[in-house]
Amino acid sequence: GAGVSQSPRYKVAKRGQDVALRCDPISGHVSLFWYQQALGQGPEFLTYFQNEAQLDKSGLPSDRFFAERPEGSVSTLKIQRTQQEDSAVYLCASSLALQGRGYTFGSGTRLTVV
Amino acid sequence: DQQVKQNSPSLSVQEGRISILNCDYTNSMFDYFLWYKKYPAEGPTFLISISSIKDKNEDGRFTVFLNKSAKHLSLHIVPSQPGDSAVYFCAAIRMNFGNEKLTFGTGTRLTIIP
Repeated sequence: GAGVSQSPRYKVAKRGQDVALRCDPISGHVSLFWYQQALGQGPEFLTYFQNEAQLDKSGLPSDRFFAERPEGSVSTLKIQRTQQEDSAVYLCASSLALQGRGYTFGSGTRLTVV
Repeated sequence: DQQVKQNSPSLSVQEGRISILNCDYTNSMFDYFLWYKKYPAEGPTFLISISSIKDKNEDGRFTVFLNKSAKHLSLHIVPSQPGDSAVYFCAAIRMNFGNEKLTFGTGTRLTIIP
């Protein structure tokens, strides 16, 4: 596609519910990133994929967070047993090898846990 | 530990004047610095970047200056236009085997006054 597509745009979950957030990267982009942006803060790194390999998951805040990209294109970020502190915008981005030229973000999924 | 800091949460500038957004960092190992622009309900959009081995990069109305000794960078927008009103994020990358993980500041909301 022309850009990075994320779905759903908005998600309201009851505390304790599991959620799955989807990211469709730009076709052919090898690298895929997930970021979490809390209100009033900058985006914070969660995890990084190169094709289907998850090479860095150091930013995942707990073992309730899980990400996958089984065929090296679409990625899913799953949050189990959601808690109120998980409320944030979850941003996905994809890139080729950019050498510092930035990558393309999707519009994000706003998750609200009530 | 905030490695990238934007100490001004907001800035208002008259249309046609110069806008100067500032950013400080603590990690001397960063390889690239980037500026992203974000409109409400959209993902961040890459604006301009600079390698750590340079001190200036210019692209149209946008210029980024890097002062490595002071661990400080700034984005200059001249002349400022109403469409420049947005939140601007400073970000930094430490290259690590293709993982271009971004470390973001907390953002500065720029308002251009017509």
